[in-house]
Amino acid sequence: GDSVTQKQGQVTLSEDDFLFINCTYSTTTYPTLLWYVQYLGQGPQLLLKVTTANNKGISRGFEATYDKGTTSFHLQKASVQESDSAVYFCALVGNNNNAPRFGAGTKLSVKP
Amino acid sequence: GALVYQYPRRTICKSGTSMRMECQAVGFQATSVAWYRQSPQKTFELIALSTVNSAIKYEQNFTQEKFPISHPNLSFSSMTVLNAYLEDRGLYLCGARDLWGYEQYFGPGTRLTVL
Repeated sequence: GDSVTQKQGQVTLSEDDFLFINCTYSTTTYPTLLWYVQYLGQGPQLLLKVTTANNKGISRGFEATYDKGTTSFHLQKASVQESDSAVYFCALVGNNNNAPRFGAGTKLSVKP
Repeated sequence: GALVYQYPRRTICKSGTSMRMECQAVGFQATSVAWYRQSPQKTFELIALSTVNSAIKYEQNFTQEKFPISHPNLSFSSMTVLNAYLEDRGLYLCGARDLWGYEQYFGPGTRLTVL
């Protein structure tokens, strides 16, 4: 079945630092890869989606791409702000439109 | 806009008792509702996916006998945790989407504590 691995449990950065979070995935379908952000006390919100390998998703200064060859996808931002502090989850939806499968989450803390 | 509400936000139950939680979709038709559990130190585990007019599909390690789900219309779903024990504690999330959407809209979750 579909699965996602997200190994970076916690990332601490200073404002204006570069952010890079990576996930790997396994699927037998043509997936849509997603990034969700969860702020304290809230449910996860969709941040970005990428439906085609090597295409780029862009939202709120974040970029996401996925590499079919290495079955990996990543989230990056050139310059993080304190307000970006949250937990970021990668997720996968197979083309059979099942519910998203989530990675373990990366807690991002940005120091002012 | 599309919103998902969950009730209650927090609940405590005694070991061996049951707890029902609700999910309400507003601003879109919740054709499909997915229930997840986030246990302490873990990611969101998919419990089951419910699609209106289709059978509810449970994931491995989760059963209808333990987590019965109701999805009677396009705006409401509920799930009960029967005979709750310590390992059932965690944050239960409801995610819903419409027929053609890929985006799952999530509620804030119901946090279950089992004593």
